[in-house]
This record gives sequence, structure tokens and C-alpha cells, in this order.
Amino acid sequence: IVLTQSPGTLSLSPGERATLSCRASQTIGSGFLAWYQHKPGQAPRLLIYGVSSRVTGIPDRFSGSGSGTDFTLTISRLEPEDSAVYYCQHFGSSQFTFGPGTKVEIQ
Amino acid sequence: QLQLKESGPRLVKPSETLSLTCTASGDSISTSSYFWGWIRQSPGEGLEWIGNIYYTGSSDYNPSLTSRVTISVDTSKNQFSLHLRSVSAADTAVYYCARHGRTLLRGTVDLWGQGTLVTVSS
Repeated sequence: IVLTQSPGTLSLSPGERATLSCRASQTIGSGFLAWYQHKPGQAPRLLIYGVSSRVTGIPDRFSGSGSGTDFTLTISRLEPEDSAVYYCQHFGSSQFTFGPGTKVEIQ
Repeated sequence: QLQLKESGPRLVKPSETLSLTCTASGDSISTSSYFWGWIRQSPGEGLEWIGNIYYTGSSDYNPSLTSRVTISVDTSKNQFSLHLRSVSAADTAVYYCARHGRTLLRGTVDLWGQGTLVTVSS
């Protein structure tokens, strides 16, 4: 399965809503779809697993949704610290696959 | 609280073997709950999964790298290692060791090392 993400870059202001898309080349029926936040110089951080389950400690402004081939990460009210690259990731057939990422810039 | 830390040469010559070790501290890697693996990020690129290993020694690899990569585990030292053969400049990247969910948080990478930049150059 190949994952594509759009847009490539998202430039928004604090307080705005960010909608990030992840599209799979085949239907993901297993529910193994996760989202990560990656800031420069830091290790990536797992935000969402199983399409929509938030990791403990992740703010509730982050939410995941979707099914089939189309999945979405929504950041409801952007904070300056949300500036990062966000990756979706699928697990299937013992393989981990990452999307190319969406860069979120906070103006 | 488990922590992972990568170690190994930061500079590798073309055609040689890149070898990195990840040392886990704070908990044992001999658990049925997780796999242990490697992910890399080339400069300006996204994340690429390299492969992972279970503490018993069974492993899975990215098909694009499987001919050149071996991941091994040493449970007595609470370590796992990456060996990437016949490297080229395209293998220059930040290499992360990471915990992969097997029964807990299955299918995710829930804990990462700090990452180490390895440069392939003569």
C-alpha cells in the first residue's frame, strides 16, 4: 500500500483549523493507520493510532478520522508549537509504510 | 520508563557496511509486546522504515532494502543492531532505533531513540 498526503505544505494562523489528508492506494480494512508529529532535531512522536485513538497525553485538539482509503488528521485550534511535519503510517503484511508528510507552518 | 539510544560510527565509506547499535535502558526488550526496529530519514526526505526484529530473532525488512540489511538482537545486553551493506551516498540519513507495537499499540512506532546522523562519504 502506498500512502499519499496532501497538501504538501499548510500555512495557517494560530487558532485556525488544520485538515491534513492521507490517501491509501488500497483499502485499509485493518484499522492500522497512525499519525506522527515530527519537529526538526527531535524524534517523531506518535499522536494517533487505530485511525482515531489519541495517545495518552496528546492534546484533544488533535483528532483522527476516516475509513477505506481516505483518512484525516484534524488540528482544531492551531497553537504555535504545532508547527511540524505530520506523517501518516500504515501497518500491513508485517510492513510499516509512511506517507511523504505534510508540513504545517504557523504564520 | 524505557529509553533507546543509538551508537556507532557517524562516517562510513562508500561500499562499506554501516553498523549501528541501539541500547535499551529502563526495561527489557525481551517482551512479547513489541518488536524493535530501525527507521531513517534522508536529508530533505520523509521517514523510511528499514525493518524490525522480535526478541527471539525473527525479523522483517523493507523490500527495497532487504538485500543489503540485517537486524540482529542481543538480549543479554538489551541491544539490537542494524547492519547495512554496500552503502552509498544515498544511505546518508538520520537513523532512529524505535519500538514497534506487536500486541500493545500494534502496528505503530510508539517510542523512538534520539536519532543519529550517519554520513556516507570517502
